[in-house]
Amino acid sequence: DTAVSQTPKYLVTQMGNDKSIKCEQNLGHDTMYWYKQDSKKFLKIMFSYNNKELIINETVPNRFSPKSPDKAHLNLHINSLELGDSAVYFCASSQDLKNTEAFFGQGTRLTVV
Amino acid sequence: AQKITQTQPGMFVQEKEAVTLDCTYDTSDPSYGLFWYKQPSSGEMIFLIYQGSYDQQNATEGRYSLNFQKARKSANLVISASQLGDSAMYFCAMRERNSGNTPLVFGKGTRLSVIA
Repeated sequence: DTAVSQTPKYLVTQMGNDKSIKCEQNLGHDTMYWYKQDSKKFLKIMFSYNNKELIINETVPNRFSPKSPDKAHLNLHINSLELGDSAVYFCASSQDLKNTEAFFGQGTRLTVV
Repeated sequence: AQKITQTQPGMFVQEKEAVTLDCTYDTSDPSYGLFWYKQPSSGEMIFLIYQGSYDQQNATEGRYSLNFQKARKSANLVISASQLGDSAMYFCAMRERNSGNTPLVFGKGTRLSVIA
């Protein structure tokens, strides 16, 4: 069983479109995250949710909106996609916000053309 | 400010040799955790090893060990007996415990290439 699963794995779309990436974890964790990995492999936190509540919202354009319908799911919706949004997006979860490791999904490679 | 610094963009190691990947960190929080992740070419992020700031012993997990030098604020990853499958990007990360709700903050990574 996959611990953190995100879909789709690949997403190619045109500029201006709206798209969503789904994430589910079956680990019973309280905390979920979205990270963005750019072309230079740098991983940056975008959002963090704890028990469905938004905890961290880094400087991310308003076009990005996370939604957590329950503790096990954290979806990412992106409006009006731009070329610069092309990246790999990782969902992750951890037991809590303290010193526990985060488990990552397999990543979604988003390409905006 | 950069909280995690990995100064080696790329490293080469001969198969079966040991290699050390450097990581220094910056924090004023006395309680924190340090993590290493591996990202192979297939793209997934694999958790390798964890060290807590109050842990007395260096963490070890199989062929991985963490050389934790608290006064120097360094947390280097040592891989013993390198294998071809160890070729990957390696990321050092930190989470501060007392500074509010902080996520894992990552360094820029080191690309390790194991040569046969």
